[in-house]
Amino acid sequence: SQTIHQWPATLVQPVGSPLSLECTVEGTSNPNLYWYRQAAGRGLQLLFYSVGIGQISSEVPQNLSASRPQDRQFILSSKKLLLSDSGFYLCAWNSGQNTEAFFGQGTRLTVV
Amino acid sequence: QKEVEQNSGPLSVPEGAIASLNCTYSDRGSQSFFWYRQYSGKSPELIMSIYSNGDKEDGRFTAQLNKASQYVSLLIRDSQPSDSATYLCAVPYLPGAQKLVFGQGTRLTINP
Repeated sequence: SQTIHQWPATLVQPVGSPLSLECTVEGTSNPNLYWYRQAAGRGLQLLFYSVGIGQISSEVPQNLSASRPQDRQFILSSKKLLLSDSGFYLCAWNSGQNTEAFFGQGTRLTVV
Repeated sequence: QKEVEQNSGPLSVPEGAIASLNCTYSDRGSQSFFWYRQYSGKSPELIMSIYSNGDKEDGRFTAQLNKASQYVSLLIRDSQPSDSATYLCAVPYLPGAQKLVFGQGTRLTINP
C-alpha cells in the first residue's frame, strides 16, 4: 500500500532563517506531488505541484521554492523565512489526472 | 470567480439532523470532485469521490453532482458530534487535470 511521510511535524524558526521540508511517498511510482499551505482557520492554498522529476509548477509567487530531486521526493525550501510564512504545510500525492489525493501528517511552522 | 467556492460557515446542525454542504466550481470541463474532512490540527482525509451527475451514497454520506449548474454537494445524514470538522471540496483543474484546487472549507458543528 502507498504511504506518504512528511517531516518534521512541528517547527519553530526565526525570521530570516532557511527552511527545508521534505516529503516522500512509498508504494507508487511517478506520483503527482503537491505542497499546500493552510493559514489558521483558512482553506488550502496550493503552492507547488509536480507531475515528474524536475517538473515544478508554481502557483503563488513568494519566497518559497520547491524541488523534486527523485521520483517520490518533494522538498519545500526557503532561503529566508518571513513572519507571513507561518502556517500548516501539507504535502499530498495522487496517481494522475482526475484522481483523489492523499495527505501527509503536515508540518506546523511558526516563524518568530 | 474563484476556482472552487464554499460557504465558510460556521454551519451548526443538531445531532441526528441532515447537514448539507455545498461547493461550486468554475471550470465547466472538470470531471472529478472530492470531499475531504479535516479535524482541527490534522491533515485532510478523503471521504467521498464523485465523477458522474447524480447521487453517490456511502453510509451516512451522499455526494451530489450537477455538472450543468457546476455544483457539488455533500449530505451527512444522522449527524453525529464526531462529524464536527471542516469539510473541503476539491476539483482537479484543466488543462491536464493535474492541478488539484481546494475550496476554503466549511466548518461544521454538530450540537448534541
